[in-house]
Amino acid sequence: ILNVEQSPQSLHVQEGDSTNFTCSFPSSNFYALHWYRWETAKSPEALFVMTLNGDEKKKGRISATLNTKEGYSYLYIKGSQPEDSATYLCARINTGTASKLTFGTGTRLQVTL
Amino acid sequence: DGGITQSPKYLFRKEGQNVTLSCEQNLNHDAMYWYRQDPGQGLRLIYYSQIVNDFQKGDIAEGYSVSREKKESFPLTVTSAQKNPTAFYLCASTPTGGIGEQYFGPGTRLTVT
Repeated sequence: ILNVEQSPQSLHVQEGDSTNFTCSFPSSNFYALHWYRWETAKSPEALFVMTLNGDEKKKGRISATLNTKEGYSYLYIKGSQPEDSATYLCARINTGTASKLTFGTGTRLQVTL
Repeated sequence: DGGITQSPKYLFRKEGQNVTLSCEQNLNHDAMYWYRQDPGQGLRLIYYSQIVNDFQKGDIAEGYSVSREKKESFPLTVTSAQKNPTAFYLCASTPTGGIGEQYFGPGTRLTVT
């Protein structure tokens, strides 16, 4: 993997469903991974910053895991609600390039009643 | 309220004209960034500045220029040399320019015809 890749590109779930997305990235020279939520007509907001292999972070119904050796991170949403509808972005920081984020194209989630 | 402001929200220019996008933050953050978003692509870094009077090129700096004369301001000029200037532009900041989360402004949509 040369760049940060996210899958699926878009997702449509029913309220109450649990879902997850994938962020894949080059495992070499890894320093940190960010997850952001970007709601329509708003600014992207940070969800998690992860650095260590095996890291798990949780914020309410949203959680994320990190595998730096194989180069992937999962974002989980438990019991999706309509307010979870947004584009979820992941971004990677390489060693030696502190604060320079390389973003994936995002996963667009739509939660319907 | 602390935050990042970008103005205007929408900007229209004729081809061949330079245009400056404003980004102001009152978060007392040292580092500031400019990103560009195009359909189907992730956010791409144009320029960043980790301290006043210093800035570095990002991944797609050609056709752009910046200045950082004040800590709270990081204007981006889109010059006539930028071949495809029509895009959505996002400004962001972080407290120290490390691996911490970035705080984003609301963005400016620039249309050049």
